[in-house]
Amino acid sequence: DAGITQSPRHKVTETGTPVTLRCHQTENHRYMYWYRQDPGHGLRLIHYSYGVKDTDKGEVSDGYSVSRSKTEDFLLTLESATSSQTSVYFCAIGQGAMGAFFGQGTRLTVV
Amino acid sequence: GQQLNQSPQSMFIQEGEDVSMNCTSSSIFNTWLWYKQDPGEGPVLLIALYKAGELTSNGRLTAQFGTTRKDSFLNISASIPSDVGIYFCAGTPNTGNQFYFGTGTSLTVIP
Repeated sequence: DAGITQSPRHKVTETGTPVTLRCHQTENHRYMYWYRQDPGHGLRLIHYSYGVKDTDKGEVSDGYSVSRSKTEDFLLTLESATSSQTSVYFCAIGQGAMGAFFGQGTRLTVV
Repeated sequence: GQQLNQSPQSMFIQEGEDVSMNCTSSSIFNTWLWYKQDPGEGPVLLIALYKAGELTSNGRLTAQFGTTRKDSFLNISASIPSDVGIYFCAGTPNTGNQFYFGTGTSLTVIP
């Protein structure tokens, strides 16, 4: 267990509402990532962070923002949720050759 | 973003058979990783590869870092029912620390 906790584990929200997903790590790792997983697409990187207040976009960042005010917490926000953002969201920590270690995921449904 | 093509998309095999899958990228990767995902869980790291030509084993699993640095291979010998799941390749490109993932190979083992 890599010490990664995602919350909530499941959420149903309405189109147009803001949603924030939380990732908490106890490994004191510098790098943290948010991925979304959809059938046929594998895992796609949304945003990642390489330190407190240091973040960068991944390949599917539109409609998402992130914040990292503490080493242990990485927040993913959907400012105005859309049905296309229904997905399973995974947080991960790690870097380079050590690989990425994943949380258990958050299943988000936008209705 | 980086394109990782993983094949085959799915496999149905008899228990005891060997399995082979591969992953190719559109650019050179510094690290290749192989993950397994069980239903409802996050991906779990199986094997990490660090240099071209490297061959690494983890029990019945063997993975290779392709000599061109644009591909990787995973073999599973003598498959058993608990091998069922989705296998993902992943890697970090020459630039940056992001992990990019393939679309996965779904493995079904028939007892």
